[in-house]
Amino acid sequence: EVQLVESGGGLIQPGGSLRLSCAASGFNVSSNYINWVRQAPGKGLEWVSVIYSVGSTYYADSVKGRFTISRDNSKNTLYLQMNSLRAEDTAVYYCARGGHSYGDFDYWGQGTLVTVSS
Amino acid sequence: QSALTQPASVSGSPGQSITISCTGTSTDVGHYNYVSWYQQYPGKAPKLIIYEVFNRPSGVSNRFSGSKSGNTASLTISGLQADDEADYYCSSYRTDVSVVFGGGTKVTVL
Repeated sequence: EVQLVESGGGLIQPGGSLRLSCAASGFNVSSNYINWVRQAPGKGLEWVSVIYSVGSTYYADSVKGRFTISRDNSKNTLYLQMNSLRAEDTAVYYCARGGHSYGDFDYWGQGTLVTVSS
Repeated sequence: QSALTQPASVSGSPGQSITISCTGTSTDVGHYNYVSWYQQYPGKAPKLIIYEVFNRPSGVSNRFSGSKSGNTASLTISGLQADDEADYYCSSYRTDVSVVFGGGTKVTVL
């Protein structure tokens, strides 16, 4: 059974850093493309970043230069390193597995809440 | 990276059909057949219900159907049921290799 479990969220001051983890089971993170998608409180979904099986990475303009996506194949885990955090980064962060083709996400984690506030 | 345009809300009575539109541009919806739709209940993660414009993942009801014309994609829910009441999001792959979501549509079953 495919499962994704996020962790690492919490309350952080503006300008601070946080690393999110997404532990995968039931498939290999090295064989699929995995994304981070976030949702601000009461708002819609926003794509954040993707890492493809070949290792290439892409980011939304809103996080480019501040966030870094990576994976540890030995731990079957995805990460999102978030630096220079801003209030507008406050959201539930989901990891989501790439599905059948480009841009569809067939399995999602339960999400982890990041709150950026002083 | 502007969001795709969806109506904020759509409502219908049980048994009726409703359609949610999703309007993008020639660099996303109009360029690829990589349009997806998601259903999200409050406090829960989204669930994929349509991918590649009209394909349904295994286990998704055939009451959900998707289509596309030009820069606009649509999701139709037929035989509306009480548990269809949720938020629905469209998304599309873009020519700059990013993914863009719509703003979401709240479906209310009257």
